[in-house]
Amino acid sequence: KNEVEQSPQNLTAQEGEFITINCSYSVGISALHWLQQHPGGGIVSLFMLSSGKKKHGRLIATINIQEKHSSLHITASHPRDSAVYICAVKTTGNQFYFGTGTSLTVIP
Amino acid sequence: ETGVTQTPRHLVMGMTNKKSLKCEQHLGHNAMYWYKQSAKKPLELMFVYSLEERVENNSVPSRFSPECPNSSHLFLHLHTLQPEDSALYLCASSQVPYNEQFFGPGTRLTVL
Repeated sequence: KNEVEQSPQNLTAQEGEFITINCSYSVGISALHWLQQHPGGGIVSLFMLSSGKKKHGRLIATINIQEKHSSLHITASHPRDSAVYICAVKTTGNQFYFGTGTSLTVIP
Repeated sequence: ETGVTQTPRHLVMGMTNKKSLKCEQHLGHNAMYWYKQSAKKPLELMFVYSLEERVENNSVPSRFSPECPNSSHLFLHLHTLQPEDSALYLCASSQVPYNEQFFGPGTRLTVL
């Protein structure tokens, strides 16, 4: 079993829809990262958070430390949001674990 | 050049070849990383360097040999690889180890 589990694995949405991607983890962490990977491979760091909520444009990330759960929300989704979204955790022992990613396709 | 660059972007090699992957960061960061991404698998952290010193080596086979000559450059030397080593190899850097990382575009490696 992977230390980091994401759901759903694949997601197709209509342009404009509100999207939620979930991440659950089973280890003690000091920080959680959300990453975006476009076709071709390049990865961009979207958020690093250790508590509460962060917002950047149409993206919102939340984390519940007690529940060991984080969500990434995309409001007013757009075809350019189509990518793989990866959740990663940094443990208190300074190890990194990654989820397998959620593949998002937004249809015009 | 800005950010994190990797060369080559694509590499095809035979099992008896020796090749090297290069990563360069232009961000003034002190930590650099090598990752392996295979199809349908999570990212795997291979090596971490902090101020040119290796701080983590996650049970990576010896056919992968990293080198960090200075804080801006990171190499991954490859020799006698296996077909299952075919993957996307990503380099990243961060200001301090294990903090927010900036990734390069990756090298797509195919071992025949």
